Formats: sequence, C-alpha cells, structure tokens
Amino acid sequence: QITLKESGPTLVKPTQTLTLTCTFSGFSLRTSGVSVGWIRQPPGKALEWLALTYWDDDKGYSPSLKSRLTITKDISENQVVLTMTNMDPVDTATYYCAHRENGAFDMWGQGIMVTVSP
Amino acid sequence: QSALTQPASVSGSPGQSITISCTGTSSDVGSYNLVSWYQQHPDKAPKLMIYEDSKRPSGVSNRFSGSKSGNTASLTISGLQAEDEADYYCCSYAGSSTLVFGGGTKLTVL
Repeated sequence: QITLKESGPTLVKPTQTLTLTCTFSGFSLRTSGVSVGWIRQPPGKALEWLALTYWDDDKGYSPSLKSRLTITKDISENQVVLTMTNMDPVDTATYYCAHRENGAFDMWGQGIMVTVSP
Repeated sequence: QSALTQPASVSGSPGQSITISCTGTSSDVGSYNLVSWYQQHPDKAPKLMIYEDSKRPSGVSNRFSGSKSGNTASLTISGLQAEDEADYYCCSYAGSSTLVFGGGTKLTVL
C-alpha cells in the first residue's frame, strides 16, 4: 500500500525559503520507472505541477519556477524534499506530493496548506 | 509552456454522458501518449481516473473513458451520477522531464 505525507511549515514570511518534505512508504525510488512529484493548488484555483524526481536521478522543473525550485531525494529515508526560494503571497497554496508511475500520479498525499504572509 | 485548455464548466443530468476536452500542442498532448485525468472533490486530494490517454486504473468505474485525437484529449463520463460532480484536470507530459496541467473543469450534475 502506497502512502505519502507532506510536512513542513504552514506559515512563511515573504522572501523566506520554503522547505517541504514528502515521506512515503510502500514503494522505492530505486525502482525503474518510478518518480515522485510536487504539485500545488492555490485556494480556488487549478493544479500546477512544480517538480519531479526520478528513480534514475533525472529531475524536472516547471519552466516558470525553475529558478526558485530544488528537488532532492533521500532513498534511505524514503523522503523527497522540495525547496522554494523567495516566497511571495501568490505562492500561498496547498502543496501535494504524489507517486508517479506509468506516466501518471496514481497516489497523492493529503496535501499541506502553506500561507505566505508577513 | 502554457496550461492545457479545458472548458471552465460542463453540466449534465443523471444518466447522461458528458465529455471534457483538453487541448494542448504538438509539444505535449500531441507528442506523447501520456495524458492523465484527475477527479477532485472539494477539499480532497486529486484521484487518478485515466492514464496513458485511455487506460483506466483498477477500481475506477468503466463509466469513465479517455481518448485523444491530435492535440486534444477527452474524458467522457457516461451514465452520470451525483457523485461524479467534481473538478476534473488533465495533465500531459511535455518533454524534457516536464509536465503541464489543464486549467480544470467543474462538472455539475443537474
């Protein structure tokens, strides 16, 4: 059974760096074809893909946010970490991590609501 | 890389069929058989409904089907039920390890 859970601060100040951790179980990021991604959703708005890390160390970032994002993985701890620099109130959103295989996010975490406010 | 284009809303009566379109470009939807569809109820995490354009995960009702023609993918829901009322999002691989989501479609069951 695959599970994922996001953790991190729920309130950050503008210009600060956000660090979110996705802790997962039920699969390994050593398995061929597996990746873990981050997706966010501002209140009342659409899903937005942020970043992906693959089993083979490949990584992908949203072109519009690439300069602010870093995704890393700790296979021994079954964790994926996303950092986003220079946070702004428009980055207020629910942030999800999700397991990806066969080209789709088939399991999602519950999400973590992050508010950016002075 | 622009968001895929979906209608903002669609509606249908119970028992009817509806189709939600998802239009991209030859760099994303049209280039890869990697369109997926997600259902999201209010305050819930998205749920995968269709992957690889037209495949249905185990446990998803066969009332949900996916298809694609050129740069446009479609999600069809037949025999509409009240519980189908939700937001639906498409997502496509866009090359170079990147993905793009659609703007979402709100389905109302009348």
